[in-house]
Amino acid sequence: AQSVTQLGSHVSVSEGALVLLRCNYSSSVPPYLFWYVQYPNQGLQLLLKYTSAATLVKGINGFEAEFKKSETSFHLTKPSAHMSDAAEYFCAVRAYSGAGSYQLTFGKGTKLSVIP
Amino acid sequence: DVKVTQSSRYLVKRTGEKVFLECVQDMDHENMFWYRQDPGLGLRLIYFSYDVKMKEKGDIPEGYSVSREKKERFSLILESASTNQTSMYLCASIRRDGYNEQFFGPGTRLTVL
Repeated sequence: AQSVTQLGSHVSVSEGALVLLRCNYSSSVPPYLFWYVQYPNQGLQLLLKYTSAATLVKGINGFEAEFKKSETSFHLTKPSAHMSDAAEYFCAVRAYSGAGSYQLTFGKGTKLSVIP
Repeated sequence: DVKVTQSSRYLVKRTGEKVFLECVQDMDHENMFWYRQDPGLGLRLIYFSYDVKMKEKGDIPEGYSVSREKKERFSLILESASTNQTSMYLCASIRRDGYNEQFFGPGTRLTVL
């Protein structure tokens, strides 16, 4: 079964500092991995996805993530945090749900706070 | 550019009322989902459907039912609302093969008094 684990339910960084949000996956097949962001009182929106092409994936708002098979990781980074990056971030992996159908399995989320 | 819509953003109901939450997607996706989201618990899957009239229980189906009469519409029903069902409810859809992203609605914040 496919699953993801996000390390740290809450991360605080100073404005301008590096953002690093951790995600490790477990998958018996080559994984398809996703990062989503959720702003307060909104639904989730896609930041970026890894679908077995380039291991370094660039997303929206200056975020990127690197797929590392040896470490089973897909950490999300941004060189310089902005106040507008304060949100909750979810890592997800494509998983088989039966009857020839697939869904995404989500981690528990990491809430990012940005300190002025 | 709206892809997944939910019938209400905010809803206040009383204990014991029957509650309908509706979700519509315009991407012709086969799979649709209902989640609830509570602080510290992440997204918890209530029910999902991979075809019209088909439904599968997720992790926390107790107290909920669903209906999918048309491909684009997936309804969540609280037969008799209780205060512990106060939560944010999110609908989502994805293509059957799961290669592309899962799209989410804006969410419905339900308060049961």
